[in-house]
Amino acid sequence: DAKTTQPPSMDCAEGRAANLPCNHSTISGNEYVYWYRQIHSQGPQYIIHGLKNNETNEMASLIITEDRKSSTLILPHATLRDTAVYYCIVRPLNAGNMLTFGGGTRLMVKP
Amino acid sequence: DGGITQSPKYLFRKEGQNVTLSCEQNLNHDAMYWYRQDPGQGLRLIYYSQIVNDFQKGDIAEGYSVSREKKESFPLTVTSAQKNPTAFYLCASKGLAGGTGELFFGEGSRLTVL
Repeated sequence: DAKTTQPPSMDCAEGRAANLPCNHSTISGNEYVYWYRQIHSQGPQYIIHGLKNNETNEMASLIITEDRKSSTLILPHATLRDTAVYYCIVRPLNAGNMLTFGGGTRLMVKP
Repeated sequence: DGGITQSPKYLFRKEGQNVTLSCEQNLNHDAMYWYRQDPGQGLRLIYYSQIVNDFQKGDIAEGYSVSREKKESFPLTVTSAQKNPTAFYLCASKGLAGGTGELFFGEGSRLTVL
């Protein structure tokens, strides 16, 4: 799996958009970008994934650059409950091989 | 409801004892994973299995053992050889055909060695 790089921590004001970046410069053509988040002492939760087009669901939007070497997860109106660690990983869609996580970004949403 | 269940949620053990953490899924997933998480750190892969009766070591397999006798179950044994076993352990599963390819996680088991 391609390696990803994320900032260790970020702050965001409640109600504002949170933009979480992820660099994946060695991504392969068949690898998707996946985002998960982990609220303290719980199992990580899937948020969104994409290949090359921008994606949106009820939780977030995913913007992938044209060269696919980086992406941004956008939480449009962050709430205090969005405080969590956010992980970006890249891998093929149905791969069952090693799935490794980096350190993620610790997002703190402040009132 | 379909999901992945880990037990126990909290576990205490004395040094020198083996302990087995349970992970069961009813999602009909082929692949299952065990991760370890230390305070303030990311997830590190211990073992994974893509099919029954087969499994592979992850990045930190030393001191751990697993089995995959049934598709639904992937128990992890923390042996006395694991030098620093106190951690939060997470089990996950995913399908290998169709769907979104997302990884489903259990709620975790917190092991404390006294």
